[in-house]
Amino acid sequence: QVQLVESGGGSVKPGGSLRLSCAASGFTFSDSYMSWIRQAPGKGLEWVSDINTSGSAIYYADSVKGRFTISRDNAKKSLYLQMNSLRAEDTAVYYCAKHCRSTSCYIDYWGQGTLVTVSS
Amino acid sequence: QVVLTQSPSASASLGASVKLTCTLSSGHSSYAIAWHQQQPEKGPRYLMKLDSDGSHIKGDGMPDRFSGSSSGAERYLTISSLQSEDEADYYCQTWGTDIHVFGGGTKLTVL
Repeated sequence: QVQLVESGGGSVKPGGSLRLSCAASGFTFSDSYMSWIRQAPGKGLEWVSDINTSGSAIYYADSVKGRFTISRDNAKKSLYLQMNSLRAEDTAVYYCAKHCRSTSCYIDYWGQGTLVTVSS
Repeated sequence: QVVLTQSPSASASLGASVKLTCTLSSGHSSYAIAWHQQQPEKGPRYLMKLDSDGSHIKGDGMPDRFSGSSSGAERYLTISSLQSEDEADYYCQTWGTDIHVFGGGTKLTVL
């Protein structure tokens, strides 16, 4: 069955960096469009970034553009999110998500999430 | 840009039915959406994709108690024979080439 397992979350001071990872299994990762989506404490879901199957097309929400970098390693079946210049408002659970096909589509599987806390 | 509007809360009794609504902003009434469920302290779970004509594709193992329908700019999620585990937040989502948009979510309380 499809599994998405995030890791790399933790506590960091404002201005710091973290790298999130998502290990995928149970489907053909290299054929799947992928996303990172976050949820601040007590709030709704917020799209963060998309990446196409080859990594040649990447999109970011305005709130993270220039600070976050999404990438993937199809050989390792892994998705990554490098987060730099972190702010308090980046505090959230970050979810790895799989799209329904190889192009941008609805999300059909979610990971369990990893918590990032930005605080001094 | 498309905006999805959901009521913040809804409630219904155990065993009853409830209909949740997601409204697409003006000019976007043809858009498909997806419904996602988030139980307390858990990650979201895909429920179904719902097209403007009411056709839908359910997620793996989704019970028949969950169904979708559409009318104009409104997309509905109906849950029948409510069970305690249906108490959750429900989000609608739409997507484009370079963006995903989520509704604010509806918190469903099962009385």
